Amino acid sequence: DAGVIQSPRHEVTEMGQEVTLRCKPISGHDYLFWYRQTMMRGLELLIYFNNNVPIDDSGMPEDRFSAKMPNASFSTLKIQPSEPRDSAVYFCASSPPGQTGGQPQHFGDGTRLSIL
Amino acid sequence: QQPVQSPQAVILREGEDAVINCSSSKALYSVHWYRQKHGEAPVFLMILLKGGEQKGHEKISASFNEKKQQSSLYLTASQLSYSGTYFCGTASHGQNFVFGPGTRLSVLP
Repeated sequence: DAGVIQSPRHEVTEMGQEVTLRCKPISGHDYLFWYRQTMMRGLELLIYFNNNVPIDDSGMPEDRFSAKMPNASFSTLKIQPSEPRDSAVYFCASSPPGQTGGQPQHFGDGTRLSIL
Repeated sequence: QQPVQSPQAVILREGEDAVINCSSSKALYSVHWYRQKHGEAPVFLMILLKGGEQKGHEKISASFNEKKQQSSLYLTASQLSYSGTYFCGTASHGQNFVFGPGTRLSVLP
């Protein structure tokens, strides 16, 4: 079975540009998580969805960040406008149905984002 | 609130054992363990759902003391492939799932 698929793998762009990260969860999984990983702050949960509905976005750093899940097989994380401090590795993860936090999370390979 | 992991880093020789601890100030209903190698994504190791539960995965096992809100990951007869950063993740009522800061494990030949 295919795992979680993220694109692009790497993104380098200039400050002020819009960045869109994409994620395809594992088929049958109904939870989708977006994480950001930096040396300073570790693995931070930004937002998670259940059945395509955003459940908690309290981890989204500011209004420049937005996430959508238009259907069960696709999600996007958008940053507009981007800033150098947004540089990080962004992971998407999905997990099967069940109690929140009660199922294993399967991670995509991540998008390494560099904002110049 | 982020769980606390200890130690922050550990260096072992191949064949030695290690214990990584994870503790929380919150009442937990699950603890996850993941391993991340440099430049790769975190990989799920195991999940513990009940107080006092122990689970095993090859030579890696874990325990969960629900009353103390603590979990420990045990690595026995470590192999070179065990090197990486180990994260615990915790779930509690009223709080989102949150990862600990990680424990960096290096296994030397």
